[in-house]
Amino acid sequence: EVQLADSGGGLVQPGGSLRLSCVASGFTFSSYWMTWVRQAPGKGLEWVANIKEDGTEKNYVDSVKGRFTISRDNAKNSLYLQMNGLRAEDTAVYYCVRGRSFFSVWGQGTLVTVSS
Amino acid sequence: EIVLTQSPGTLSLSPGERATLSCRASQSVNTNYLAWYLQKPGQAPRLLMYGASSRATGIPDRFSGSGSGTDFTLTISRLEPEDFAVYYCQQYGSSPWTFGQGTKVEIK
Repeated sequence: EVQLADSGGGLVQPGGSLRLSCVASGFTFSSYWMTWVRQAPGKGLEWVANIKEDGTEKNYVDSVKGRFTISRDNAKNSLYLQMNGLRAEDTAVYYCVRGRSFFSVWGQGTLVTVSS
Repeated sequence: EIVLTQSPGTLSLSPGERATLSCRASQSVNTNYLAWYLQKPGQAPRLLMYGASSRATGIPDRFSGSGSGTDFTLTISRLEPEDFAVYYCQQYGSSPWTFGQGTKVEIK
């Protein structure tokens, strides 16, 4: 079964850091672009960042550029999102998703709360 | 960036009725690169349509998508109880990919 398991969310103070992880199973992870999408509480969806199959190309939404870093370890079937300089507006459920353009496989999401 | 505006915000219908959801883009979406998702409370979104009119794997044929350029429509021919949820459109023709704000389909 194709699955994505997100983890790493939690409560963090403004300015703090957090690292999200996503472990893939049931498909050849190294053959797919991977993406992070977030959803603030009660709000819509926002594309955050994506990474090419081999990690050589990365793209970010303007609001996280310079603060977030997407990475992957194909040997571990894992995707990561290093989040630094967190702000209250980064509070959201973060979903790991498979694909570059449209998204057919989603993780269950991990909640990040930025608050003092 | 392309802004997607969905209407109506809420659609109140009964099971068996037809639902028509609109997604309008602030500029033309390249090659009709538009997707639709359904999201139920507490769950991750589920892909329904891509390329404006292609159904994703396992999606029943009561769901159909149409449109081009800046105006797109998702139609549910006869609402089933499991279809009551929030629907989002997403464009992937111009970076950054963007989503609409959602249309809630609720039971009347």
